[in-house]
Amino acid sequence: GDSVTQTEGQVTVSESKSLIINCTYSTTSIAYPNLFWYVRYPGEGLQLLLKVITAGQKGSSRGFEATYNKETTSFHLQKASVQESDSAVYYCALGEANTGANTGKLTFGHGTILRVHP
Amino acid sequence: EAAVTQSPRNKVTVTGGNVTLSCRQTNSHNYMYWYRQDTGHGLRLIHYSYGAGNLQIGDVPDGYKATRTTQEDFFLLLELASPSQTSLYFCASGDRCAETLYFGSGTRLTVL
Repeated sequence: GDSVTQTEGQVTVSESKSLIINCTYSTTSIAYPNLFWYVRYPGEGLQLLLKVITAGQKGSSRGFEATYNKETTSFHLQKASVQESDSAVYYCALGEANTGANTGKLTFGHGTILRVHP
Repeated sequence: EAAVTQSPRNKVTVTGGNVTLSCRQTNSHNYMYWYRQDTGHGLRLIHYSYGAGNLQIGDVPDGYKATRTTQEDFFLLLELASPSQTSLYFCASGDRCAETLYFGSGTRLTVL
């Protein structure tokens, strides 16, 4: 089966400090998975933060970045300088590549609560 | 901007109760999904659909039914609610390529 592991359930960081949220994945059914980071701000639904569909490539958005590493099966999320407004829940997810017949099903990690304090 | 609307935002029912969660999307997307989110778990897929009248079983379907009445509307039915179904439920839609999902704000269901 497929699985996504986020090792940190909660991370607390001071504003302007750097951040890394770890994500590793495992799949037995998808040869070239797409990898995603979704974010959920308080009271809202999940929204796409960034996605990468090619191994070795980096995705970036809103100062966040993540590199698809097929060798280590990792997709860690990083930001050089966090802001209080980044406080949210971050989910790493794995999905099928677009084959024209894909289902769009995503496998999510447990989520990491990020608290940024001033 | 993609739009997925869920109702109600909050629902409280008793064990054995009958509950319907509603989801409407105005994105003209073919794919729709119901996920549940529990502490210590990621989002888990309950049911999904490719279009009106179509229903596919997800990873945790037990105790749930779903119905896709139109391209826009997807309903999740709990006919005999149990406390184990207390959760935060998310609906999502996806386009033809189904690579990016658009989520609603969630329905928090409590079964007493």
